[in-house]
Amino acid sequence: AQSVTQLDSQVPVFEEAPVELRCNYSSSVSVYLFWYVQYPNQGLQLLLKYLSGSTLVKGINGFEAEFNKSQTSFHLRKPSVHISDTAEYFCAVNAGGTSYGKLTFGQGTILTVHP
Amino acid sequence: NAGVTQTPKFQVLKTGQSMTLQCAQDMNHEYMSWYRQDPGMGLRLIHYSVGAGITDQGEVPNGYNVSRSTTEDFPLRLLSAAPSQTSVYFCASSGRFGYTFGSGTRLTVV
Repeated sequence: AQSVTQLDSQVPVFEEAPVELRCNYSSSVSVYLFWYVQYPNQGLQLLLKYLSGSTLVKGINGFEAEFNKSQTSFHLRKPSVHISDTAEYFCAVNAGGTSYGKLTFGQGTILTVHP
Repeated sequence: NAGVTQTPKFQVLKTGQSMTLQCAQDMNHEYMSWYRQDPGMGLRLIHYSVGAGITDQGEVPNGYNVSRSTTEDFPLRLLSAAPSQTSVYFCASSGRFGYTFGSGTRLTVV
C-alpha cells in the first residue's frame, strides 16, 4: 500500500518570494506522482504529474516539481509566487497496475501569499 | 464541455435518511472513483470501479454503497446518513493517468 505525507499543513509566504511545498511518499512499487491545486470552494485542478522520464517536471502557472526516488520525495516549487497562488495544494500517488483508478492523497498544504 | 458531472451541489440530510449522489462522465473512461474531503485529512477514497459491473472498496467504505451498470454513471448511495458523513464528496474518472474531478457535492447531515 502507498501513503503520502505533506510535511507542512500551512505555508505563509510574501508575494514574489520563492516557495517549496514538501511531499514524501512511501510505496513498495513504482509510483506515479501528482500535484493538484484547490482554490476556495472549487474542485481540484491538476498542476503537474510525474509518470516517467525526466525527474524535473514543469506544470502550469510556473510550478515545477522534482521526483527524487532515493529520498521518496516529490516537492513542489515556484520561484516567485503571486497573490493568486493562495490555495490548498495536494500531493497524490498512484501505484499503477491494478490500482490505476485510485489516487492516495496527502493531507494538503494551505499556501497563503501575503502582499 | 466534456467532463465529470456531479449532482446535487449541496444537500442537507437528517440523520438516518438515505440518498444517492450522482456522477456521470462523458469521456469513456474506464476508471471511476469517489472521494470524501475533510479538513486536514486530504481526500480519502471511498469506492472505485475499473469498469462496468466491477467495483471495489477504498479506504473509508463503511456506510456507502456503489454500483456501476454503465461506463458513464457511478452513483454513490448513503444508506443511513450519519453526522460523521458530513463532508465534501468528489467523483473522478480517469484513463490510466488523466484524472478528471467533478465539482463536488457538499453534504451536511444534521
